[in-house]
Amino acid sequence: GDSVTQMEGPVTLSEEAFLTINCTYTATGYPSLFWYVQYPGEGLQLLLKATKADDKGSNKGFEATYRKETTSFHLEKGSVQVSDSAVYFCALRKAGKLIFGQGTTLQVKP
Amino acid sequence: DAGVIQSPRHEVTEMGQEVTLRCKPISGHDYLFWYRQTMMRGLELLIYFNNNVPIDDSGMPEDRFSAKMPNASFSTLKIQPSEPRDSAVYFCASSSSGSGNTGELFFGEGSRLTVL
Repeated sequence: GDSVTQMEGPVTLSEEAFLTINCTYTATGYPSLFWYVQYPGEGLQLLLKATKADDKGSNKGFEATYRKETTSFHLEKGSVQVSDSAVYFCALRKAGKLIFGQGTTLQVKP
Repeated sequence: DAGVIQSPRHEVTEMGQEVTLRCKPISGHDYLFWYRQTMMRGLELLIYFNNNVPIDDSGMPEDRFSAKMPNASFSTLKIQPSEPRDSAVYFCASSSSGSGNTGELFFGEGSRLTVL
């Protein structure tokens, strides 16, 4: 069945470091891909999305490119801030359902 | 616009009691989803509706769980009887088919359930 796999966390970085969180997916057809973020004690918020191959989603300095050849959607940010500390979820949506990866906790230290 | 509204935000109950969680989706959205989040299992899709009709309930753990959507603006998730292993945060989300069935979901803030 369809699934999403993320790199395990937690990821601990210093402020202004470069961030990569790996995400790969397994799905037939052409799902849409998403990154959601969850801040402590809150619900999930959409961070960015891409709906077809080679699309790049971007928001708040974060980027991810839909790579069909490698079935990947890695999240990157050039310079993280303490306020980026949160749990990041990669997800795919196809035929209505949104399927999440297990989540990656990011902690950014000053 | 109001987002997805869930109630209660927190619920503490004793094993064996009935629990009802409520959700009001964003007006005009025709998809509604219930998810459960735990440390061990992450985010699990329990059930989702389209135009008030359950489409996929394969994630509902067992017969103790039931979900209804009597109209476009209200859904409930009921657990009867509740057990300690049901302790989790339950999220409701909605989306619009206007963005295709691959558009983004909008999430509520969740209902944190603790079963003692």
